[in-house]
Amino acid sequence: NAGVTQTPKFRVLKTGQSMTLLCAQDMNHEYMYWYRQDPGMGLRLIHYSVGEGTTAKGEVPDGYNVSRLKKQNFLLGLESAAPSQTSVYFCASSYSPRKGGTDTQYFGPGTRLTVL
Amino acid sequence: AQKITQTQPGMFVQEKEAVTLDCTYDTSDPSYGLFWYKQPSSGEMIFLIYQGSYDQQNATEGRYSLNFQKARKSANLVISASQLGDSAMYFCAMREGKGTSGTYKYIFGTGTRLKVLA
Repeated sequence: NAGVTQTPKFRVLKTGQSMTLLCAQDMNHEYMYWYRQDPGMGLRLIHYSVGEGTTAKGEVPDGYNVSRLKKQNFLLGLESAAPSQTSVYFCASSYSPRKGGTDTQYFGPGTRLTVL
Repeated sequence: AQKITQTQPGMFVQEKEAVTLDCTYDTSDPSYGLFWYKQPSSGEMIFLIYQGSYDQQNATEGRYSLNFQKARKSANLVISASQLGDSAMYFCAMREGKGTSGTYKYIFGTGTRLKVLA
């Protein structure tokens, strides 16, 4: 099992350019998440998905769009990149929360994005 | 108000000693989950331990234990017999129930950087 993989690992964009980050998981998890990590701020949830074809906004959704066309894939899009979106982006997946169970999130290795 | 508070930006501990990393949380939801993750300098996020709000006993995973004090809304991580490889950033996180929005919320603290000294 590869777990959670992210593509690409590094990217440099110019302001206004667009790009898509791909997350894939092979654990048959229902939930998938996109976070950004900035120094001193921990991880902040951008968007998440509770199943194929559904997405929901997290704490910092502005400037990002997502799609979950297949259960195993979760895409994060930046339509017009801004320097404020320079960050490390983490994807994660989990089973759905259920009483008596755990929705431990398994993380990808991260994507380091720089917007000039 | 912060939902997850980690008041220790940095901690030092001597190798083989125990260390406690503090985490307090704020929620009105009776059903929630608490997690601790480790992030070494290589950058990956590693799950350590989970505590559900209905769990009667404190969670333990090897050298990790979670000191869950529900009334005080604290979920401190205890690492016993520290090792040099424990040097990393540690994040406390909470999952709240659906509430009025109908969706779950996942919130991370700002982290505590632990340095284990030889």
